[in-house]
Amino acid sequence: DAGVTQSPTHLIKTRGQQVTLRCSPKSGHDTVSWYQQALGQGPQFIFQYYEEEERQRGNFPDRFSGHQFPNYSSELNVNALLLGDSALYLCASSGGLYESYEQYFGPGTRLTVT
Amino acid sequence: DQQVKQNSPSLSVQEGRISILNCDYTNSMFDYFLWYKKYPAEGPTFLISISSIKDKNEDGRFTVFLNKSAKHLSLHIVPSQPGDSAVYFCAAHSGTYKYIFGTGTRLKVLA
Repeated sequence: DAGVTQSPTHLIKTRGQQVTLRCSPKSGHDTVSWYQQALGQGPQFIFQYYEEEERQRGNFPDRFSGHQFPNYSSELNVNALLLGDSALYLCASSGGLYESYEQYFGPGTRLTVT
Repeated sequence: DQQVKQNSPSLSVQEGRISILNCDYTNSMFDYFLWYKKYPAEGPTFLISISSIKDKNEDGRFTVFLNKSAKHLSLHIVPSQPGDSAVYFCAAHSGTYKYIFGTGTRLKVLA
C-alpha cells in the first residue's frame, strides 16, 4: 500500500518564475491538503482539495493555486516566486470510506528560490 | 496569531524515563487534536489523536491527555527510547477542515 508520494524531491527556481508541485494521496484517500513549512516552524495550511474543488484555504496569496484530478492526485502551483517562498512543501491526504481526521503526509518537496 | 503553541522548543530525556510534550491552544472550537513526529528529510508521521469529547487516549507507549478547561494537551511517551528522538508537532482541527500546527518540540532521548 503506497503512502503519500510527492514530486519532485528538490527544486531550485529563480525569483519571478512559476513552479508546479505534485502529490498522489494514500490509497483510499480522497482529500488532499497542502502545507508550507519554513525552517524552524510548523507546517502552515495552504489549502485543501476535495471532489476536485478547493474546500478550505489558509492565509496565502492568490499566487498559490491548486488543482485536484479525478484520481484524487493534486498539484500546487506558485506563480511569481519570491525568495520567501523557499520552504518545504508538504502534501497530506485523508478521508476515504472510513473518513477520519488523521492526515498522512508525504516526504515533501524542498523548494529553493534564488 | 498563534492558535496552537508549543512553548518548549526542545526537551532532553534519559532513555527509559517519561517524556512529556506540551501544547496549548486558544480556540475553543477545535474539535480534534493530533500529534505528529518528524525526522529530518521526512514528512510528519501521524502518532496519536484525541477527540475533544475525550480526555485521554492511549496507544502503546504513547498517551495523549486533553484538558479542555485549560486548553492544554500533552503527549506522554513511556518508556522513552533513543528512536523517539525527533521533532514533535501538535495539531488542531476545526470544523472548517483546517489543521493548525504548533511550532514543534525537538525531543532528544539520551542513551
